Amino acid sequence: EKVMTQSPATLCVSPGERVILSCRASQSVSSNLAWYQQKPGQAPRLLIYDASTRATGIPDRFTASGSGTDFTLTISSLQSEDFAVYYCQQYDERPETFGQGTKVEVK
Amino acid sequence: EVQLVESGGNLVQPGRSLRLSCTTSGFNFGASALSWVRQAPGKGLEWVAFITSELYGGTREYAASVKGRFTISRDDAKSIAYLQMNSVKTEDTALYYCAKYRCVDRYCYEDYWGQGTLVTVSS
Repeated sequence: EKVMTQSPATLCVSPGERVILSCRASQSVSSNLAWYQQKPGQAPRLLIYDASTRATGIPDRFTASGSGTDFTLTISSLQSEDFAVYYCQQYDERPETFGQGTKVEVK
Repeated sequence: EVQLVESGGNLVQPGRSLRLSCTTSGFNFGASALSWVRQAPGKGLEWVAFITSELYGGTREYAASVKGRFTISRDDAKSIAYLQMNSVKTEDTALYYCAKYRCVDRYCYEDYWGQGTLVTVSS
């Protein structure tokens, strides 16, 4: 199976800062990559699919890029509601697999 | 509005069985592929099972960790998906999410999720 590795595990940032999260695949996943946001006590929420396409209703401060094995999610100016755990997921091949998550917390 | 509501989670002893349900509304259930994804306490997300629409043969796939023990199914008349969990183990303890897929060709990702139902396996 394709292993997804996210870095860093935790990111301590202040509101208004720019945040860059990384996700690396053990083998190419082409552009078949999604990003999800999960807040405490809530279900995951789809942010990005096809590596760079924002899902419906997602603010444009969230941008994503990459293909093959290396991907990034950028939050241009972190808002208070963005503190959460972010997961990448490959759906290029079954089983679909998730990264272990990056927690974005308040500095 | 798309809604998925899981139910059936409970405390269950190792080796016993449990059936989870996912009641849905707000989308064309019969045309949709569905999945179950779980999250152990304090851990990340783990895909568990997948079922295509009947249009695509109702194909089912499972994670290696549950294959042979869990069965995913669907009732298109009721817009409900199920996860039958047999011979449960302590490592099956998790919050179980039901999710709807969006598929383009054979590439499918979860675009809507329920709030989850908690399964605790303990003696």
